[in-house]
Amino acid sequence: AQKITQTQPGMFVQEKEAVTLDCTYDTSDPSYGLFWYKQPSSGEMIFLIYQGSYDQQNATEGRYSLNFQKARKSANLVISASQLGDSAMYFCAMRETFTDKLIFGTGTRLQVFP
Amino acid sequence: NAGVTQTPKFRVLKTGQSMTLLCAQDMNHEYMYWYRQDPGMGLRLIHYSVGEGTTAKGEVPDGYNVSRLKKQNFLLGLESAAPSQTSVYFCASSYRRRGGLPVYEQYFGPGTRLTVT
Repeated sequence: AQKITQTQPGMFVQEKEAVTLDCTYDTSDPSYGLFWYKQPSSGEMIFLIYQGSYDQQNATEGRYSLNFQKARKSANLVISASQLGDSAMYFCAMRETFTDKLIFGTGTRLQVFP
Repeated sequence: NAGVTQTPKFRVLKTGQSMTLLCAQDMNHEYMYWYRQDPGMGLRLIHYSVGEGTTAKGEVPDGYNVSRLKKQNFLLGLESAAPSQTSVYFCASSYRRRGGLPVYEQYFGPGTRLTVT
């Protein structure tokens, strides 16, 4: 069965610093996709970044990058130059191949302080 | 485009009452999903649909039923609400490109906060 593990319930980072949020996954599928979503206190789910299992390069989207280490089955999110507005819950998720179902981790609450 | 909308936004039910949550999307997406989010547990899939007229069970389907009579709508029903169903419910949709390749993201609705007393 597929599984996503986020071992950091909470993280603190100072404004303008970089932070890494950990995510490990388990799957027997050769083809899969990994996602990160942000959930601010207002509750909506905001898509941040995607990494396909066959992508040769790590995904980047502005200040977000995904450190994809396939052999270690990890897909850590790196946020550079943190901003106060980055304070939120962050969820790592994996997509099942044929149904597009997302399997979510339990999330990491990031707090950015001035 | 409105994207994915959910009705209602908030609801309080008494144990044993029934209700239906409506999810609507105007993006012509084939795939639709219902998740529930509980504190400390992330999102868990309740039911999903890969096309009009089809539904399938997810991770936590007990106590819920769904219907997808129209492509743009996905209904989640609670026949006899229980306090354990107090949660925030999210609907999502996605599509596949021609050739069956999945697109990157699921589009989420704003959520419905349900409290069962």
